[in-house]
Amino acid sequence: QSALTQPASVSGSPGQSITISCTGTSSDVGGYNYVSWYQQHPGKAPKLMIYDVSNRPSGVSNRFSGSKSGNTASLTISGLQAEDEADYYCSSYTSSSTLGFGGGTKLTVL
Amino acid sequence: QLQLQESGPGLVKPSETLSLTCAVSGGSISSGDYYLDWIRQSPGKGLEWIGSMYYSGTTYYNPSLKSRVTISVDTSKNQFSLRLNSVTAADTAVYYCARHRVTAIWYFDVWGRGTRVTVSS
Repeated sequence: QSALTQPASVSGSPGQSITISCTGTSSDVGGYNYVSWYQQHPGKAPKLMIYDVSNRPSGVSNRFSGSKSGNTASLTISGLQAEDEADYYCSSYTSSSTLGFGGGTKLTVL
Repeated sequence: QLQLQESGPGLVKPSETLSLTCAVSGGSISSGDYYLDWIRQSPGKGLEWIGSMYYSGTTYYNPSLKSRVTISVDTSKNQFSLRLNSVTAADTAVYYCARHRVTAIWYFDVWGRGTRVTVSS
């Protein structure tokens, strides 16, 4: 059982926007601004897309954005493109000085 | 640019010890700029953080694996290692090493390609 809860799947059409949620507790997501998001294509290593809730690493498209409200963090992808089809994982630092991952969300671009 | 490469046996028997190495190139572990972490992904499943180590020896472990895991460093070889004892089929996974900078509260900006480990007799 994953520490953080994500929807198993989301879908959207090209050009649309989608949002993936990541729900934790006050001991992780709600307690710290240390939520990150990763994109993983089949057979590949994860790629960092968002860190510290809403920051984008250099080279990541500004179509990707992150936010947080209470114990729930969110990843929004705007202007959906076929190449965005992948699995997405959230992670959060915890009060136990450990790291938790979400169970992952499969994004399908219709 | 820092690069990470995992290596180790692809097949381990149940009850034995899984041992993997993460070789670091493009930078020195002893620079003290980052931690190295082990993360795994069981077939068709999500990511699971295993543990983290700083070159000085400071370690952090996933409580669910702590009793079976040891992460160590060899600065002379510029590599980190993972040992997981008493493995079962549930430990079958792709194992990744990844780094997080000292200034980064546990987000991973560099990953290895991963190495697949199967636990089977």
